[in-house]
Parts: sequence; structure tokens; C-alpha cells
Amino acid sequence: VLLVQSGAEVKKPGASVKVSCRASGYTFTDYSIHWVRQAPGQGLEWMGWINPNSGGTNYAQKFQGRVTMTRDTSISTTYMELSRLTSGDTAVYYCARELTLTTSRWFDPWGQGTLVTVSS
Amino acid sequence: QSVLTQPPSASGTPGQRLTISCSGSSSNIGTNTVNWYRQLPGTAPKLLIYSNNQRPSWVPDRFSGSKSGTSASLAISGLQSEDEADYYCAAWDDSLNGFVFGNGAKVTVL
Repeated sequence: VLLVQSGAEVKKPGASVKVSCRASGYTFTDYSIHWVRQAPGQGLEWMGWINPNSGGTNYAQKFQGRVTMTRDTSISTTYMELSRLTSGDTAVYYCARELTLTTSRWFDPWGQGTLVTVSS
Repeated sequence: QSVLTQPPSASGTPGQRLTISCSGSSSNIGTNTVNWYRQLPGTAPKLLIYSNNQRPSWVPDRFSGSKSGTSASLAISGLQSEDEADYYCAAWDDSLNGFVFGNGAKVTVL
């Protein structure tokens, strides 16, 4: 099971960025994909998730209106697009597969991360 | 400011037992299960403990998790130099309708 993310991006303030996460080694539509980011030297921050089967999404309140998660089932890939970027969005963005057992939910595995740098 | 509270650092000597705490509330740890992730410098987080106390097959039994009320703990016994990493707790939060993480605890082996 592997999640492979797209490469690093450099964007100007106000622009948008779209990061991809390609899954392999399992049935893509069976598991939700979450996105988590980590600013330099900081902790982990959950952004939301997408159900690859239905396309349904759930975003953290902080990012609502600015984040869009989509998927392309034909290539087992999910996308996270963040708009109206500011320097505060500079971070490593991770995708992660959600596993569940009754009411327990956890992430495994994680993608390798994509560094997004926002700078003028 | 993280919803779950961890000590920023913890340290011990090789062979010692180390415990990292994770404090939450009734809407997260008090109601839902806790997971722990380990992050080595410059790498992605990796699952360490899920569902409060379950270890994936690749995690040695030196690592154990527990939960009581609105707090959880990660214990590392027989501390080794390769255990130096950042450790994060996480749980679903019913009030926020999302996952929340601890601020992370940096473990140093002296």
C-alpha cells in the first residue's frame, strides 16, 4: 500500500495550489483519504477528507471556502486544492488513508508529503 | 494552539521507560479512541498505536498505549537511541467534527 504525492510547489500570495496523491496496492474506492498539513517547525493540522467512492467531502472549519478535495477514480488519485494562499499556508501537506474498525479510525499509511512554499 | 495537550519534550537514558501524556476533553479522547504517530526528522508521520492500545504488526512491543477518561498515554520501555523522534497523539473530536492532534512531544535519548 502506497500513497505517492506530487512534487514541491512555489506559489505567490493569492494564488492557488493543487496537490495530488496517487494510491496503489489496494482498492482505491474502499478507503477515505485525509489531508493533514505541517507548517515549518510546527505540529500536525487536519484539513479534511474525501470519500473516493462517493466523492463526498468533509472540511475542517478553518479551511472551508478555501479548500477543495476531489478524486479521479480512473487513476486512483485524490487532489487537494487550496486557494487564496498566504505565507501562513507554507507547509508540508500530507495525504493519508483512513482505516476503521467499529468506531475506531486512524491513518495508515501517509504520503511522503508535498512542500508548498508561498512567497512573493 | 492544539486541542490535545502533550508535553513538548521528554527524555531518558537507554533502557529506561518513558511515558508521554496526551490530555483532551469529553468531545475527543473522552468519547473516541486515540492514535499515536511517530515522525522522524524530515519524514512523514507513521502509525505507532491505533484504537488506544493496538500495535500494528511492525511496531515492537516496547511501545504501548493506554487511555483513561479524557487522557491517554504512550509508554516506551527499553528506550533506544532510534526512538528519538516526535510523537503525536490524535483523536476524532465530535464537537469540531474533525480530527485533532496533540502539539507533539520530542523524545530525546540522553
